[in-house]
Amino acid sequence: RKEVEQDPGPFNVPEGATVAFNCTYSNSASQSFFWYRQDCRKEPKLLMSVYSSGNEDGRFTAQLNRASQYISLLIRDSKLSDSATYLCVVNPTSGGYQKVTFGTGTKLQVIP
Amino acid sequence: DGGITQSPKYLFRKEGQNVTLSCEQNLNHDAMYWYRQDPGQGLRLIYYSQIVNDFQKGDIAEGYSVSREKKESFPLTVTSAQKNPTAFYLCASSIDPYQPQHFGDGTRLSIL
Repeated sequence: RKEVEQDPGPFNVPEGATVAFNCTYSNSASQSFFWYRQDCRKEPKLLMSVYSSGNEDGRFTAQLNRASQYISLLIRDSKLSDSATYLCVVNPTSGGYQKVTFGTGTKLQVIP
Repeated sequence: DGGITQSPKYLFRKEGQNVTLSCEQNLNHDAMYWYRQDPGQGLRLIYYSQIVNDFQKGDIAEGYSVSREKKESFPLTVTSAQKNPTAFYLCASSIDPYQPQHFGDGTRLSIL
């Protein structure tokens, strides 16, 4: 099993739709989780952290399910500008010299 | 403004030539990272450094070298031993391995 897995998509959704992505991880002791957004030919940018209790930032909601070892990102009322690739990131367990793992990304295309 | 600066934005390498990609940050971050991204692919970790004068190999370190003599700087050398160096190279930094990473805007390396 890969350390971090994402459905590559593409997810093609109409403007205004609600879309959700999942990201599964294999290390049950992982400590922190993030969602990044990457536009074509640009660097990844932090979208939001993922907290155990779930968190929301405007139209975006992130959730963590430790029992099933996945994180999710929900985008409501999709905008054309949301078209991008969304990367999940799983940070290492505490203690020791372990590396951060990026998912390969889920591509979202919002259609007019 | 604090941030990460990568230079050059575009770089062309001749066969058998070593080239060095610059990465400087003024965020006072301890951890720094180098990634490679090929078209349509995810990020792959080349090297990372959690502190000055220390660095670790990532998943694809062969054909690359780094140094971390100063906290602010983490240059990457692509050696002639790297047979397929054409890619998008991204440098990132974070306060520590458990915090989100902030990326530079990348260097595109091509072979002449």
